Amino acid sequence: SQQGEEDPQALSIQEGENATMNCSYKTSINNLQWYRQNSGRGLVHLILIRSNEREKHSGRLRVTLDTSKKSSSLLITASRAADTASYFCATDDSNYQLIWGAGTKLIIKP
Amino acid sequence: EAGVAQSPRYKIIEKRQSVAFWCNPISGHATLYWYQQILGQGPKLLIQFQNNGVVDDSQLPKDRFSAERLKGVDSTLKIQPAKLEDSAVYLCASSSWTAGYTFGSGTRLTVV
Repeated sequence: SQQGEEDPQALSIQEGENATMNCSYKTSINNLQWYRQNSGRGLVHLILIRSNEREKHSGRLRVTLDTSKKSSSLLITASRAADTASYFCATDDSNYQLIWGAGTKLIIKP
Repeated sequence: EAGVAQSPRYKIIEKRQSVAFWCNPISGHATLYWYQQILGQGPKLLIQFQNNGVVDDSQLPKDRFSAERLKGVDSTLKIQPAKLEDSAVYLCASSSWTAGYTFGSGTRLTVV
């Protein structure tokens, strides 16, 4: 079953602009994770934010978590062509199972 | 540290044939997962192993799918017989308490 829902489904921006993707979920979580998937490749873990955290940074990535709204956002600053990929959020429940959204397809135009 | 290894990378079979996928997780990772990812969707968990025991296989179509992890290390996922709707990427991942999740590159299955 899918818990996370990302929006938008697709996002196309110019290189250098910031990209923001959102994720909503339905049940209580231990943590929320963001992954990147290049076409035809496996999933690459980007960042994990725990349920008691509100914001986390990693390089050009900034993730926020609002547990009261059951939502998270991923911000990629100063986007590059290499950021073109699909981005998924996944929530981790108490059984250490990841429940995934359908992803946001991000296209960075040069 | 070596990543999660999967083989084959690609497989094309006819419907009603059988197919098997192999996964070698990161050494020391007790938990192993098989996911099915249909084009344009997020991954769907098929089965989760903890060492060589099954934790969750509630979404595994057991009439045609089977998986095993006999020695608590490598795992195989089998489909027999395959249907057209089984066309997807099959992802293996492993995790540990401290290291989080690592995914393999996946096996892209096309059933014709």
